[in-house]
Amino acid sequence: SAVISQKPSRDICQRGTSLTIQCQVDSQVTMMFWYRQQPGQSLTLIATANQGSEATYESGFVIDKFPISRPNLTFSTLTVSNMSPEDSSIYLCSVPSKLITDTQYFGPGTRLTVL
Amino acid sequence: AQSVTQPDIHITVSEGASLELRCNYSYGATPYLFWYVQSPGQGLQLLLKYFSGDTLVQGIKGFEAEFKRSQSSFNLRKPSVHWSDAAEYFCAVGGNEKLTFGTGTRLTIIP
Repeated sequence: SAVISQKPSRDICQRGTSLTIQCQVDSQVTMMFWYRQQPGQSLTLIATANQGSEATYESGFVIDKFPISRPNLTFSTLTVSNMSPEDSSIYLCSVPSKLITDTQYFGPGTRLTVL
Repeated sequence: AQSVTQPDIHITVSEGASLELRCNYSYGATPYLFWYVQSPGQGLQLLLKYFSGDTLVQGIKGFEAEFKRSQSSFNLRKPSVHWSDAAEYFCAVGGNEKLTFGTGTRLTIIP
């Protein structure tokens, strides 16, 4: 399986500020996914990030709030902009497995608390 | 649209007892089904998956799941749980393009 790391692992931020979360993979992948897990809830896909093109956002998520960068095949960032307490969540990135079709592997997540 | 239902929010079992976590799905075609486990403070780890073929699939950590098309179910089982199995378990449907997760079942193990 791919080795995925995320930075920061956790952060506490003030409302109105922005936080950029990094996701690094140990191998080149075409697609990377960003998910949000609100407290006590399941995972919801925010967007799909393909290298060399604009990210594709799911219903309810917009680029102005969650801008994504994908500068190369091993790295992506997700920014949570103009944060409010409702943005307090765990944010996870994932990548498709190269060995097992139609399977995703997940990073450890970034736990964000907005005060 | 694809969807997943995990009807049990929280389950408590004794160590050494058997376990079954329920999962029902809605999907327009032959589903790809997954079970993931999330331990406290950890990311998601893939336990097992079903794509096609044998409807009883074996996973890691002694878990298995059975796909029942007639019931649109993919229940997770383990014959004897260990204290280290305490975690949140997520059922998911989909594939490379998109995964849809259930709301999760929190498993508590008591001595």
